[in-house]
Amino acid sequence: KAGVTQTPRYLIKTRGQQVTLSCSPISGHRSVSWYQQTPGQGLQFLFEYFSETQRNKGNFPGRFSGRQFSNSRSEMNVSTLELGDSALYLCASSLGSPVGPGSEAFFGQGTRLTVV
Amino acid sequence: DAKTTQPPSMDCAEGRAANLPCNHSTISGNEYVYWYRQIHSQGPQYIIHGLKNNETNEMASLIITEDRKSSTLILPHATLRDTAVYYCIVRVLVTGANNLFFGTGTRLTVIP
Repeated sequence: KAGVTQTPRYLIKTRGQQVTLSCSPISGHRSVSWYQQTPGQGLQFLFEYFSETQRNKGNFPGRFSGRQFSNSRSEMNVSTLELGDSALYLCASSLGSPVGPGSEAFFGQGTRLTVV
Repeated sequence: DAKTTQPPSMDCAEGRAANLPCNHSTISGNEYVYWYRQIHSQGPQYIIHGLKNNETNEMASLIITEDRKSSTLILPHATLRDTAVYYCIVRVLVTGANNLFFGTGTRLTVIP
């Protein structure tokens, strides 16, 4: 079965612009989470969506937002881009329901965002 | 915040077992230990998880101490493709919430 798909794979944006990244989860998965990875801060949790609702949120400013559609596909948006937003943005999907062990997350290949 | 401590780097000879330790001394009774790895420039890959019993799958074995304050991931016959950063994570599985808090991980280098 198809894995987690993130588009685009690479993106270059100018400071002050906004950007939208897309994530298609594994079929049947209802939870989508977003992570930011930078050399300085490592892998950091941004937010999680489950059944079109934000269920958990990390410690990021309001410029970072997301949404989830009825087909579980998710988008994240970053407004007013800053140089420090340059990072690898990763999306992960999981079943998301309280099924106990087995709710491992499957990650996409990520979107490499460069802000110039 | 990450609740685990791992050595920053380790080397392992190809074909030998790689033993990656993780300290999680503040783990709660309802928290599981998960291991992921990230090969350069790819998304993290799930390896294995456990609560208190030792676990084994096709990729690795997970040994959790009886007091659950530490664990060891064992790759029985390391290959060059196992060179990656390995992350040990503790998480609660009450709600199925998919919010993982990664630490700095261990960079494993498998040497030919």
